[in-house]
Amino acid sequence: AQKITQTQPGMFVQEKEAVTLDCTYDTSDQSYGLFWYKQPSSGEMIFLIYQGSYDEQNATEGRYSLNFQKARKSANLVISASQLGDSAMYFCAMRGSGYSTLTFGKGTMLLVSP
Amino acid sequence: SQTIHQWPATLVQPVGSPLSLECTVEGTSNPNLYWYRQAAGRGLQLLFYSVGIGQISSEVPQNLSASRPQDRQFILSSKKLLLSDSGFYLCAWSVHSGGSQETQYFGPGTRLLVL
Repeated sequence: AQKITQTQPGMFVQEKEAVTLDCTYDTSDQSYGLFWYKQPSSGEMIFLIYQGSYDEQNATEGRYSLNFQKARKSANLVISASQLGDSAMYFCAMRGSGYSTLTFGKGTMLLVSP
Repeated sequence: SQTIHQWPATLVQPVGSPLSLECTVEGTSNPNLYWYRQAAGRGLQLLFYSVGIGQISSEVPQNLSASRPQDRQFILSSKKLLLSDSGFYLCAWSVHSGGSQETQYFGPGTRLLVL
């Protein structure tokens, strides 16, 4: 079975500061993928970043980076230089090689203040 | 480029009435398709997924059903809605690869309120 845990129900950050959103996972698969999605108030789920379990380097996509610590089974999302438009719900998800679908965490609400 | 459409955007239905939500994908062939439900302030619950026309897998027992009459069309239905069916319904697609890197892309969603 796969499990994603996001322990931060809400996070606050000031504009232009960096913020880290935590995600830990549990799986018995050797090959798996980790994903982060952003859900603004409009509701649409927006794909942000992907990290493969065999990737040696941490994934980066613009202001988003994934701090992947395989031994600790964590895949934290780092947002640099926060912007007001970053205020949203953020979901961590994973997919094992033996699974057809994604397993999602319960999400973290991020609020960026001026 | 690929796009995914869902309609209607919002829907208010009485208890016991039927439901039909539609999802279509453009710009890709033979996608994997998914239906999720999100209750207010909660995470996503996978309802159905499909790897091809007529191939539907159900993840949770409920009074909902799904159909895939065409390659890029996915329909979520109910014969009689319950109050507990209220929520935000999201359709998603992915390019079938079979690997852990398969990324799902989501539509804009349908907000359903059952009264």
